[in-house]
Amino acid sequence: DAGITQSPRHKVTETGTPVTLRCHQTENHRYMYWYRQDPGHGLRLIHYSYGVKDTDKGEVSDGYSVSRSKTEDFLLTLESATSSQTSVYFCAIPGQPNTGELFFGEGSRLTVL
Amino acid sequence: TQLLEQSPQFLSIQEGENLTVYCNSSSVFSSLQWYRQEPGEGPVLLVTVVTGGEVKKLKRLTFQFGDARKDSSLHITAAQPGDTGLYLCAGIFMNTGFQKLVFGTGTRLLVSP
Repeated sequence: DAGITQSPRHKVTETGTPVTLRCHQTENHRYMYWYRQDPGHGLRLIHYSYGVKDTDKGEVSDGYSVSRSKTEDFLLTLESATSSQTSVYFCAIPGQPNTGELFFGEGSRLTVL
Repeated sequence: TQLLEQSPQFLSIQEGENLTVYCNSSSVFSSLQWYRQEPGEGPVLLVTVVTGGEVKKLKRLTFQFGDARKDSSLHITAAQPGDTGLYLCAGIFMNTGFQKLVFGTGTRLLVSP
């Protein structure tokens, strides 16, 4: 039982097409996060959610939208994908209580041609 | 703007050698974490340091938080091939109940037999 799963794990798409990445958790956490990881930049926060229908922007939110209609699902949408959005996307939920730990999914590798 | 700089970016060493990875910032953090990431997986928390000057040991890994809580180091003694991976530091800001993590640029370690 992974606790957090992402889908799809790999996707290749063309510039201008919409893309939705899904994050599913079984831990009933209030907070969920979307990060992107690029060489030389570490992990950067795109959007986060602090409850159903409660979301906020992170540091690199331009070109991305999110939705949280259920506690267990947090969707990341690229309305019109660009090559600069080629990246590995990670979803995360809080880990051990009172530690600040983030528990990450396995990642979704997106290539925009 | 990258708040956390790690050095070196890449390190290739032989089994048995010692190494130190640095994580530096001009910002003060409430705490700092170190994660390790293996290919195709999400980062996994190694340790959290909270107090300025704090030293924590995890087997052959020694983590230190700077006195001013702006920097940290990770020292590995007698590195082994199993230590190979991407090491990420993450500074934590506490902001009105929402915990914000800022990740460093990452250090990729390769330990050869």
